[in-house]
Amino acid sequence: GAVVSQHPSRVICKSGTSVKIECRSLDFQATTMFWYRQFPKKSLMLMATSNEGSKATYEQGVEKDKFLINHASLTLSTLTVTSAHPEDSSFYICSAETPGTKSGELFFGEGSRLTVL
Amino acid sequence: DAKTTQPPSMDCAEGRAANLPCNHSTISGNEYVYWYRQIHSQGPQYIIHGLKNNETNEMASLIITEDRKSSTLILPHATLRDTAVYYCIVSPSGATNKLIFGTGTLLAVQP
Repeated sequence: GAVVSQHPSRVICKSGTSVKIECRSLDFQATTMFWYRQFPKKSLMLMATSNEGSKATYEQGVEKDKFLINHASLTLSTLTVTSAHPEDSSFYICSAETPGTKSGELFFGEGSRLTVL
Repeated sequence: DAKTTQPPSMDCAEGRAANLPCNHSTISGNEYVYWYRQIHSQGPQYIIHGLKNNETNEMASLIITEDRKSSTLILPHATLRDTAVYYCIVSPSGATNKLIFGTGTLLAVQP
């Protein structure tokens, strides 16, 4: 099946720094990718929809200046957590839809665990 | 908000069938029922989806009631590796649809 890869899988950073997480579709082109975050023992929360070549669409309550999303190519979307603080520590997961295959069958990355000290 | 209701947890004996229920009483005519699962500290994995007919694939079977207000995911022979949180999601089909996850059911397969 289609593969979505995230990098890094784990990252620890100091408060106030920015962290970039990459999401790549390895064997298909993804015009749309989705970014989720997940707190411990909680469900996934959709943050934004990333569209290739255009601005991302953010869900209500998600700060677009805090979580910068760039989808510059059909195989890469990036999430940058700017000026990270401890409350931004979370599991960030991306997903991509494969055009032409079963609708709604999203492929998810392995997730990136961010810890802000 | 999620439009589905699932029990928070279930146990199943290894080798037995696991039947996971989901209520979606407000489902619309154009909404599909999707099932995903998430093994601890991994990204979710697609299992199966359907509109109104029952569906079966190599992983599971999906039984949707005639009124489409509820469904059951069946894992025919559960193994320890099936221990995960199972999410039932309703969403319209089509490109760029986004999935809203509820709280899911933690299935614990016991040896």
